[in-house]
Order: sequence, then C-alpha cells, then structure tokens
Amino acid sequence: DAGVTQSPTHLIKTRGQQVTLRCSPKSGHDTVSWYQQALGQGPQFIFQYYEEEERQRGNFPDRFSGHQFPNYSSELNVNALLLGDSALYLCASSRGTGSGNYGYTFGSGTRLTVV
Amino acid sequence: AQSVSQHNHHVILSEAASLELGCNYSYGGTVNLFWYVQYPGQHLQLLLKYFSGDPLVKGIKGFEAEFIKSKFSFNLRKPSVQWSDTAEYFCAVTPGSSASKIIFGSGTRLSIRP
Repeated sequence: DAGVTQSPTHLIKTRGQQVTLRCSPKSGHDTVSWYQQALGQGPQFIFQYYEEEERQRGNFPDRFSGHQFPNYSSELNVNALLLGDSALYLCASSRGTGSGNYGYTFGSGTRLTVV
Repeated sequence: AQSVSQHNHHVILSEAASLELGCNYSYGGTVNLFWYVQYPGQHLQLLLKYFSGDPLVKGIKGFEAEFIKSKFSFNLRKPSVQWSDTAEYFCAVTPGSSASKIIFGSGTRLSIRP
C-alpha cells in the first residue's frame, strides 16, 4: 500500500479534450507534487501544491494546471490534450515543502493515453 | 540547469552477480541524493538517501551507494543480486537549499536472469 491514492488508474482521451486526475496524499502529509513520466524516461516535475497554492512549477505549459483542497487532496488538469501528453502521471505527497529530510511517498500513478 | 545522468539504460545480470549502476549529477551547491526503485506495476519506492555525513549509505534490500563529491557521483551497488531485483532504478537529486523539487535521471532497467 503506497499510502498515496490516485484515480483513475487508466484513462484514454482524444486529442483536444480535457482531463482531470486526482490524488489523495498519505495521512499526515500536507504537500502534493505532480510528476509526468513518459515511456522510457524518468519522472519530470510539473508542480507542487502546499496550503492550497502552487508553490513551485516545472517547465510545463499553462495547459497544465492544478488545485489543492482543504483536506490536502489535489487535482491535476490538462487542457487541449496532445498526443505527447500520453504518460504516467505520478502524485507524490510529503510533509512540508522542504521535504529532503522527510521524503516523498509516491502513488502508483494514472496512465493517460491520448489518441 | 540541474540534471542527473544515468549512463546505463539497460543492464542484464545473472543471479549472484555484483551490481553497480552509475549516476552523475550536475549542480554546484549542496544536494540531497536518492535512489528510487520501481518494480513492475508498482509505485516508486525509496531505496536509500544521502543528506550529509558518511558518504557510504546503506539502504533496503542490501543496496548501498557512495557519494563522491569530487566526481559528482552517487553510484548504486549490491554485492549479489537476486531475481527479485528486476526493476527500474532511478537516481534523483534535490538541491539542498530548496528540497522541494526532485530531479530524476532517465532510469536504468535491471533484468536478472534466474
């Protein structure tokens, strides 16, 4: 059990559509980070949410947006889907934003396929 | 820009062989270093981490890694691999001053022949 729950596990969308992915962090964690893992690549940082605000962002276009709720759960939204958005989307939770000492717990991911 | 390089994309070993996976990072300041493992169909799990102190770090399942600051390296080792070690291994770094974003390498796929 990863402690971090992501839904759905698999998703197929058509180019141009919009998608919402969800993440429930591990109990006791208040920070959620999102990563995109393309096939054969390492995870790439999308953004991080803490106290319901985006705290840090990677090199992703504005089509990628997110939200964090008062219960610390989070959503990742992707608009105007492109074929290149096909990937495994990982959610990682942690306690606080400077999590080098506390570490991250990763979910099993949502596999998004854009056709 | 900060980056992590893993030189071996796919490594194939027989059981009981010794393992060393290379990892080099590019960042001039203080860093925290990690090795994560992703077993088939499972989530990323932390194998070991280095923040400071003894540069030889021991992790779970008999893995260890050595931080060599002068070489910007953090290689992963295991003296005798098992079939169950078949997985994808990721080296990762976070800047020590702002440990919020993890930068991952591209991963090394390890296949163990029984």
